[in-house]
Amino acid sequence: GAGVSQSPSNKVTEKGKDVELRCDPISGHTALYWYRQRLGQGLEFLIYFQGNSAPDKSGLPSDRFSAERTGESVSTLTIQRTQQEDSAVYLCASSPPLGAGIPLHFGNGTRLTVT
Amino acid sequence: SQQGEEDPQALSIQEGENATMNCSYKTSINNLQWYRQNSGRGLVHLILIRSNEREKHSGRLRVTLDTSKKSSSLLITASRAADTASYFCATVRTDSWGKLQFGAGTQVVVTP
Repeated sequence: GAGVSQSPSNKVTEKGKDVELRCDPISGHTALYWYRQRLGQGLEFLIYFQGNSAPDKSGLPSDRFSAERTGESVSTLTIQRTQQEDSAVYLCASSPPLGAGIPLHFGNGTRLTVT
Repeated sequence: SQQGEEDPQALSIQEGENATMNCSYKTSINNLQWYRQNSGRGLVHLILIRSNEREKHSGRLRVTLDTSKKSSSLLITASRAADTASYFCATVRTDSWGKLQFGAGTQVVVTP
């Protein structure tokens, strides 16, 4: 079946512009995660959804970052007034109904470059 | 902040050799998972070990967990060039089990 799909795969934007990154999880996966990965570094947790509820927004770096999820499907991560330090790969992952022992399925990410 | 820290940061070995990498973490966990990443894009789940388990095997992979030392190791036996990738440990803490936190990763290069 289809995996986690992210779009666009690459995005180049000018500093100060807003961007929207999209994630389509695997059908039936109620949990959805967003991570950020800077070049050569590990994954930085941003936010996760259980259904369309976000119990933990603690990882969002600033109020320029926000995320929404429609039901148990598509999620969008919005970055307003982008800065150069926002340049990174943004990874989305999903998993079946939330459980501590459930592995995540990752998309291939969106590479964001802010010039 | 990152929960897991991998060691070494980079590892270079020849085909046929074993590769061992370690992960240390700071707080009580429910389980620990290892993931692999090729070319800086999507991660693939390799293996999960629960806090009440000490060792687990999957094909050429062997994972150990020592909760008293808050550490885990991943062993890849008889490595192949295709094993070249970055390997990350990730933990699910007992106090925030909905959030999987990743370490900085070990970059493994296997040369033919």
